[in-house]
Amino acid sequence: EAQVTQNPRYLITVTGKKLTVTCSQNMNHEYMSWYRQDPGLGLRQIYYSMNVEVTDKGDVPEGYKVSRKEKRNFPLILESPSPNQTSLYFCASSLRTYMNTEAFFGQGTRLTVV
Amino acid sequence: SQQGEEDPQALSIQEGENATMNCSYKTSINNLQWYRQNSGRGLVHLILIRSNEREKHSGRLRVTLDTSKKSSSLLITASRAADTASYFCATAGGSYIPTFGRGTSLIVHP
Repeated sequence: EAQVTQNPRYLITVTGKKLTVTCSQNMNHEYMSWYRQDPGLGLRQIYYSMNVEVTDKGDVPEGYKVSRKEKRNFPLILESPSPNQTSLYFCASSLRTYMNTEAFFGQGTRLTVV
Repeated sequence: SQQGEEDPQALSIQEGENATMNCSYKTSINNLQWYRQNSGRGLVHLILIRSNEREKHSGRLRVTLDTSKKSSSLLITASRAADTASYFCATAGGSYIPTFGRGTSLIVHP
């Protein structure tokens, strides 16, 4: 089954404790992206990747890191989480062609930083 | 920056009625997509309309695109309680990276 898998689904952590949210897709998609969703603000893009070893900042990259060492995986790293990073996070992937940029989303990771 | 902006922010209707939501955007696009999100879940792709298309149908969904006005509308006909969700438009320009709006929250009362 074609899917984007995020882990964990829920995470409560303390300020400053490094964490990683994993994202994996099994569709051989080139493009992957991380979004955060906050009430009233919609989805804001954190980082995106066009292909292996190619990453770029989105609208709200501060406090986050990503890596794309393999095509299927795109982990999101919070080196020193802060309470303002409490949010619902989504990973998405798509086959980047001119005709179709439909994005497939993971189920989300609800992160609480205390 | 967010490209598409949906209107209205919230919509409440009775089952069987039609629901219309709009999306406006600022720059030229290659395509525009609509997604649905059930509470707290991941977004699900509904329909994609290309910049050279004016109207597209999928089941009870009808999407129109007016590139001269930089706007799109999503019509859900004969709505059902199960259509209750948030609906987002996403635009993709030269980089093909979808950029999302803030969404329309639709409530369909049984």
